[in-house]
Amino acid sequence: DQQVKQNSPSLSVQEGRISILNCDYTNSMFDYFLWYKKYPAEGPTFLISISSIKDKNEDGRFTVFLNKSAKHLSLHIVPSQPGDSAVYFCAASFVNDYKLSFGAGTTVTVRA
Amino acid sequence: DSGVTQTPKHLITATGQRVTLRCSPRSGDLSVYWYQQSLDQGLQFLIQYYNGEERAKGNILERFSAQQFPDLHSELNLSSLELGDSALYFCASSSSAGSGNQPQHFGDGTRLSIL
Repeated sequence: DQQVKQNSPSLSVQEGRISILNCDYTNSMFDYFLWYKKYPAEGPTFLISISSIKDKNEDGRFTVFLNKSAKHLSLHIVPSQPGDSAVYFCAASFVNDYKLSFGAGTTVTVRA
Repeated sequence: DSGVTQTPKHLITATGQRVTLRCSPRSGDLSVYWYQQSLDQGLQFLIQYYNGEERAKGNILERFSAQQFPDLHSELNLSSLELGDSALYFCASSSSAGSGNQPQHFGDGTRLSIL
């Protein structure tokens, strides 16, 4: 049962513009949501997270928005840079359970 | 560099065989997690060990087993391999046993190909 879904397998954006990645989840009991970034031949690296009690978290060019009523979160990257070209995974977890439930990922390509 | 080391990077074997994947966690991390990523899918949680003890189990097949040794490195054993076991296997580590806000640190994975 896929509890975290990323329905857009790919996204192409021009350098300098905003990238918006979307993620939906089905389990309203998730406590944390995390975004990971993955380059080819490397493991995922942590990008940013948000607690379920918040609706926004910002870290430099990266902002995550959480809409609990819609069970939806999004990652905004502004401005997009060529180094942002990667696969982005949305993940969710519970406070007392560290295992992560991952979405299938969205491949972002930043065009020059 | 995440500090998590996985060996080997690539493994090619045949159906019915058995393989062992190895993971050394980041220095100081007590938890080790194993994930499987099949083609075009997200990472699927397999199993977690904390300080040598099994802590949580996900969708891990009975043909698969894991352990964490006193030096905290972990091994994932896959036996009676089938074509569908071809995947990327990731190991991750964290300092605690369960606190969902702490990020896990991932190795670069082992790509297993079953011929």
